[in-house]
Amino acid sequence: DQQVKQNSPSLSVQEGRISILNCDYTNSMFDYFLWYKKYPAEGPTFLISISSIKDKNEDGRFTVFLNKSAKHLSLHIVPSQPGDSAVYFCAASGDSGTYKYIFGTGTRLKVLA
Amino acid sequence: DTEVTQTPKHLVMGMTNKKSLKCEQHMGHRAMYWYKQKAKKPPELMFVYSYEKLSINESVPSRFSPECPNSSLLNLHLHALQPEDSALYLCASSQDKSQGARQPQHFGDGTRLSIL
Repeated sequence: DQQVKQNSPSLSVQEGRISILNCDYTNSMFDYFLWYKKYPAEGPTFLISISSIKDKNEDGRFTVFLNKSAKHLSLHIVPSQPGDSAVYFCAASGDSGTYKYIFGTGTRLKVLA
Repeated sequence: DTEVTQTPKHLVMGMTNKKSLKCEQHMGHRAMYWYKQKAKKPPELMFVYSYEKLSINESVPSRFSPECPNSSLLNLHLHALQPEDSALYLCASSQDKSQGARQPQHFGDGTRLSIL
């Protein structure tokens, strides 16, 4: 049972436009969420996180939005750049006493020049 | 540049071989992790060490044996693996949860393992 889902396996966006990556979760106990970016032949790189006490967190071109009632989070990248082309994973954790994160299946973003 | 270093980057081994994967971090993190990732799948947690003690074992077969000799090093010993164990093995580290706010995990670039 996939508790964290990324329903779009791929996304193409024009350079300079906004990229919106989506993530849904089923476990209402999740209260901490992260986004990672992964290039081929490299490990995932941490991008941004959000705690359930917030509904928005921003870091430069990256903003994460959390809608707890819908159990949905999204990552906005503005403006999108060709170097943003990668696979993006969302991850969730539900217990401050655990080290366990559940990862989504990933979305491959391609930013077209 | 990743701050978590994994060696080797690639490993090909037979089903009767014994080999080890190594992971090193010098960020002062006291939690270290092993993940397994198959193609087009998310990383799956295998083991967690906290302060050099095994904290989580996600029911991993005994042919995978983790070891944490000190706070900077994490090994994964492999013996009698099966072809379905071929995957990317990722190491990660993070600050201990006692630091308060949740801490992200920082990943190495992985070891691509192929079992013949």
